[in-house]
Amino acid sequence: EAGVVQSPRYKIIEKKQPVAFWCNPISGHNTLYWYRQNLGQGPELLIRYENEEAVDDSQLPKDRFSAERLKGVDSTLKIQPAELGDSAVYLCASSVAGVEQYFGPGTRLTVT
Amino acid sequence: GQQVMQIPQYQHVQEGEDFTTYCNSSTTLSNIQWYKQRPGGHPVFLIQLVKSGEVKKQKRLTFQFGEAKKNSSLHITATQTTDVGTYFCAGPKTGTASKLTFGTGTRLQVTL
Repeated sequence: EAGVVQSPRYKIIEKKQPVAFWCNPISGHNTLYWYRQNLGQGPELLIRYENEEAVDDSQLPKDRFSAERLKGVDSTLKIQPAELGDSAVYLCASSVAGVEQYFGPGTRLTVT
Repeated sequence: GQQVMQIPQYQHVQEGEDFTTYCNSSTTLSNIQWYKQRPGGHPVFLIQLVKSGEVKKQKRLTFQFGEAKKNSSLHITATQTTDVGTYFCAGPKTGTASKLTFGTGTRLQVTL
């Protein structure tokens, strides 16, 4: 069984530039999560989807972050414009019925 | 908001010594999950505990959920170098099944 796929794995951009991350969850997993993990800290939930519906986006900085999950499968997380403080690892995870979460390898974003 | 703290933040042991990390939540949890993250890797699900006072074992790992469902512990007997990594507890508040709040993590270093 293929795991959660994320791309790119690494991204370096200058501040004020846009950036997008892509996630393909495990087949059949209806719940998809985007987390941000800062160095030395635990993952922090940004947004959670149940199928194509965003059911929890209270932690998403909506002035610059946006996300979509078209057709309830793949998802894209976008930041525009990026700020220095956005440097972190962005993790995507998926699950069935919200129990065990399977994480992808993450995208390490560096904003210079 | 819900806070989940773990102690210690970091522990360095000699191979063969035991290790314990403690997890404390500011709110009652409907369940507790434990994840392991190897250096440079992504969180990997270890186990979920649901019942008050529940104890589960996985080989050298023993997990416990407190009677009040606000704390948990992970104990590793006779550590090995393969146990190196950061251990996170994570739990949803009662009534929020899929929204995990991750703990601050305990980084374990094992040397020969």
